[in-house]
Amino acid sequence: NAGVTQTPKFRILKIGQSMTLQCTQDMNHNYMYWYRQDPGMGLKLIYYSVGAGITDKGEVPNGYNVSRSTTEDFPLRLELAAPSQTSVYFCASSYREGGETQYFGPGTRLLVL
Amino acid sequence: QKEVEQDPGPLSVPEGAIVSLNCTYSNSAFQYFMWYRQYSRKGPELLMYTYSSGNKEDGRFTAQVDKSSKYISLFIRDSQPSDSATYLCAMSAYSGAGSYQLTFGKGTKLSVIP
Repeated sequence: NAGVTQTPKFRILKIGQSMTLQCTQDMNHNYMYWYRQDPGMGLKLIYYSVGAGITDKGEVPNGYNVSRSTTEDFPLRLELAAPSQTSVYFCASSYREGGETQYFGPGTRLLVL
Repeated sequence: QKEVEQDPGPLSVPEGAIVSLNCTYSNSAFQYFMWYRQYSRKGPELLMYTYSSGNKEDGRFTAQVDKSSKYISLFIRDSQPSDSATYLCAMSAYSGAGSYQLTFGKGTKLSVIP
């Protein structure tokens, strides 16, 4: 049981490039989330999904897109990378509708230059 | 006023000390209260969870919630160097879209000195 896995661990992008951050969970959780964490700013919700085929915006969705074709996978897409997207990105999942227990992946560090 | 306020520290204590970490909040709709621990360059991990006012104890950790004052605390007894991490408080309320969304504090960085 690997929990929540994320790839890559670290990536450097040039301004305007695109990339997809991968997230997979093997706990059969319906709920999945993407957060970004900036130094001293806490975790901000980007997008979330309540099940396959259903996604919705969080607090800071601009510049990102998501899809949820399976229960296990929840990729995050950056279309035109900007320096403001330099951050650490965490994927999380939860089982109960209460969402009180979210399991986090190890994170992806992204640097946009 | 931000929904969740948490002193970022840093907080440095000697080994064996009692640590008190706190958060205040303004949204009365918050129903669940959590503490996450995050080691450097790792993802947050759930440490404590509660949904009612009062105390909840788990080993050296005690979570305290006071809904009337909109104040939550995490106490760590007999602190160890391995407790050195950033502690994030988090609270959730029903989002109305079939999901509960977490609102995190900014985190308090704790160092326990041997």
